[in-house]
Amino acid sequence: EDQVTQSPEALRLQEGESSSLNCSYTVSGLRGLFWYRQDPGKGPEFLFTLYSAGEEKEKERLKATLTKKESFLHITAPKPEDSATYLCAVQANSGNTDKLIFGTGTRLQVFP
Amino acid sequence: DGGITQSPKYLFRKEGQNVTLSCEQNLNHDAMYWYRQDPGQGLRLIYYSQIVNDFQKGDIAEGYSVSREKKESFPLTVTSAQKNPTAFYLCASSIGGFPNEKLFFGSGTQLSVL
Repeated sequence: EDQVTQSPEALRLQEGESSSLNCSYTVSGLRGLFWYRQDPGKGPEFLFTLYSAGEEKEKERLKATLTKKESFLHITAPKPEDSATYLCAVQANSGNTDKLIFGTGTRLQVFP
Repeated sequence: DGGITQSPKYLFRKEGQNVTLSCEQNLNHDAMYWYRQDPGQGLRLIYYSQIVNDFQKGDIAEGYSVSREKKESFPLTVTSAQKNPTAFYLCASSIGGFPNEKLFFGSGTQLSVL
């Protein structure tokens, strides 16, 4: 069964304390992996798309990487404004049918 | 500014009542989607539409209905057949067809049962 798992569920960091969020997946026919940021009571906001193992994307303090089994979202020297829930989604092709599978998210809190 | 507008922000449904959630976009995107978000679960697809006057069921379409009469609009009706409607509902759009391309989301509608 296709599955996307994010860990940890929640993460508390001190401002400036770097860390990583994990998105592991077991899908057939990976076509792309997406990272989104979601603030409370708002819709998700697109961050990155990764298509193949070894690919990396960066935006400000965020860096996303992809392997054949998982993706990491590295947060370098986070600030309180980075506090949000980070969602991972995997686009997979199974039996000639494309689908998008979302993980449950990692809730990040950054304290000053 | 271009974007997706969902209304209302909060909605309450009585037993046996149908309610309609509005979604309007001015991004000129062909594809539009409705997702449901529950605590501790990933987003689940309810319906999607890749072109005007056409739409497809997603993974959890039972108890919901949609229409796509205009490119800009994709309203979702939560019918009385949906027995557990309390959730955060998200409308999204994309340039390309399902499920390709990044999604642009609205700010959501929180639906609760009275």
